[in-house]
Amino acid sequence: DVKVTQSSRYLVKRTGEKVFLECVQDMDHENMFWYRQDPGLGLRLIYFSYDVKMKEKGDIPEGYSVSREKKERFSLILESASTNQTSMYLCASSSTGYGANVLTFGAGSRLTVL
Amino acid sequence: AQSVAQPEDQVNVAEGNPLTVKCTYSVSGNPYLFWYVQYPNRGLQFLLKYITGDNLVKGSYGFEAEFNKSQTSFHLKKPSALVSDSALYFCAVGGNTGKLIFGQGTTLQVKP
Repeated sequence: DVKVTQSSRYLVKRTGEKVFLECVQDMDHENMFWYRQDPGLGLRLIYFSYDVKMKEKGDIPEGYSVSREKKERFSLILESASTNQTSMYLCASSSTGYGANVLTFGAGSRLTVL
Repeated sequence: AQSVAQPEDQVNVAEGNPLTVKCTYSVSGNPYLFWYVQYPNRGLQFLLKYITGDNLVKGSYGFEAEFNKSQTSFHLKKPSALVSDSALYFCAVGGNTGKLIFGQGTTLQVKP
């Protein structure tokens, strides 16, 4: 069964901490994505990557960075966490293609920033 | 710019009745349209997609969706709702940018 695995389901961090959210996929997919999910706002795209060491800003990249050193791994970094980054974070992957391919999602990482 | 709207925050339906969850979109060029479902404490699961061809698309769990180009809509439907269909449903649109943009979600509540 194909999988996208997010390393942490629940995290609690302090304001100002550096936070790493890890995502690994085992489908040899080229594309990987990070979304955040907030009630009433749906899913908003933070960053995505079409290939190793490549990244593109999504709709809400401010306060975030990403790293993709290996094809199967895509990390989301909060350099200095703030309370407004409390959210559910969803990682996804897809095979190559321009927006026509199905995303496979991880189970999500719920981050609380105190 | 791509955008997608789900005008209803919640849809309530009785078990056995037909259901419709609405979605409208805006995209330049040909749209790629998707429906995903999220059960409590789970990630999103793919239900169905429209890329080209027949306007009526059939997907998982008995769901279907109708693409209407003139109304720029892609409503999700099911002839007979089940209590187990209760979940959060997301419409999404993709296009030439390679990104997938999601709507705000609609909670479907099916009551016995």
